[in-house]
Amino acid sequence: DAKTTQPPSMDCAEGRAANLPCNHSTISGNEYVYWYRQIHSQGPQYIIHGLKNNETNEMASLIITEDRKSSTLILPHATLRDTAVYYCIVPDYNQGGKLIFGQGTELSVKP
Amino acid sequence: DAGVTQSPTHLIKTRGQQVTLRCSPKSGHDTVSWYQQALGQGPQFIFQYYEEEERQRGNFPDRFSGHQFPNYSSELNVNALLLGDSALYLCASSLPAGTGYSPLHFGNGTRLTVT
Repeated sequence: DAKTTQPPSMDCAEGRAANLPCNHSTISGNEYVYWYRQIHSQGPQYIIHGLKNNETNEMASLIITEDRKSSTLILPHATLRDTAVYYCIVPDYNQGGKLIFGQGTELSVKP
Repeated sequence: DAGVTQSPTHLIKTRGQQVTLRCSPKSGHDTVSWYQQALGQGPQFIFQYYEEEERQRGNFPDRFSGHQFPNYSSELNVNALLLGDSALYLCASSLPAGTGYSPLHFGNGTRLTVT
């Protein structure tokens, strides 16, 4: 089973920040949180990952709470091309790091 | 820098037939994982190959088998196809888990339809 829970869907206005939450209350101290997204008819695309510090790259920012039980992916200026299903995943490195995908959050960016 | 490439992109087979799907990993990657994604669902882990051996396996029957070649490319074979095997089959490559936290890079998949 997936170690994370996410809302099934969210809407965001184009140009505004999209904040996607994820709960991972059973995360262990050395487990990372990964975010992927899947645009329709494409394979999942890696976005960002983090352990306990906030992370930022050219695609997004990742905010992890101090107790590490939840995180938020932030797309600072959402565009229509950001419409996708976003997956928050905690890989099980005791099992070779395989990813267990949940249902993800379907983000719809609207003009 | 070529990413993960999969072939074919689409495939139609009949129940009971066998199918082989192919994957070339991203340059520099030597670990390949396969996932099955049914319509409207998240990808489900099938198995992972490293050093030409199956290292991890998900909850899939023995009809699903794989192979990894010395050049790190991989094949997924499915025997005795069922209608329920219709799905998008995704290949992902990475560095070995033991080398650090290497994100998976996915191909765009092979859409298999079983009639």
